[in-house]
Amino acid sequence: AQSVTQPDIHITVSEGASLELRCNYSYGATPYLFWYVQSPGQGLQLLLKYFSGDTLVQGIKGFEAEFKRSQSSFNLRKPSVHWSDAAEYFCAVGAYAAGNKLTFGGGTRVLVKP
Amino acid sequence: GAVVSQHPSWVICKSGTSVKIECRSLDFQATTMFWYRQFPKQSLMLMATSNEGSKATYEQGVEKDKFLINHASLTLSTLTVTSAHPEDSSFYICSTSGGQGARNTEAFFGQGTRLTVV
Repeated sequence: AQSVTQPDIHITVSEGASLELRCNYSYGATPYLFWYVQSPGQGLQLLLKYFSGDTLVQGIKGFEAEFKRSQSSFNLRKPSVHWSDAAEYFCAVGAYAAGNKLTFGGGTRVLVKP
Repeated sequence: GAVVSQHPSWVICKSGTSVKIECRSLDFQATTMFWYRQFPKQSLMLMATSNEGSKATYEQGVEKDKFLINHASLTLSTLTVTSAHPEDSSFYICSTSGGQGARNTEAFFGQGTRLTVV
């Protein structure tokens, strides 16, 4: 069975500072990895995804993530956060063998200080 | 990416009544749709996998008689919460799985439905 852990429940960062959100997964084969962002009361927006190939993935809104197989990690980064980046971020793992259904991490809430 | 429309975006119902939530794939045929549930300040938990033309597959612990799923066409899946109770109040989100036969695929999510049972 696949699982995802996001160790940080909350992160507070100053506007303009860098941000890194951690994600560790467990899956027997190469997974598909995703990062989603959710604003309060809203659905999910895909930031980026990893299926194969280059382990450094560029996404929207200036986000990037790096797949590290040896560490079973897929951490999300942004060099300089904006106040609009305050939201809930979810890491998810999917697999074709699992019918492409996603397993989500617990989420990390990001607060941005002025 | 694909467009998934979920309706209604919010609903308030009385305890004991049933509520139907629709999930439509607007620009491609979705043989598989997924229904998730999200409690406040928690993550999304998969409830069931909806397969067009066949019975849904429910995750462990989800009551199939309470959460009825119908996927009668390639563009529409519905979730009916039957005999709703206040503990069913939650945020329900649907998603589709790319396109038919897609191997490398991402999920496209609806906007979610906030259900409040009073």
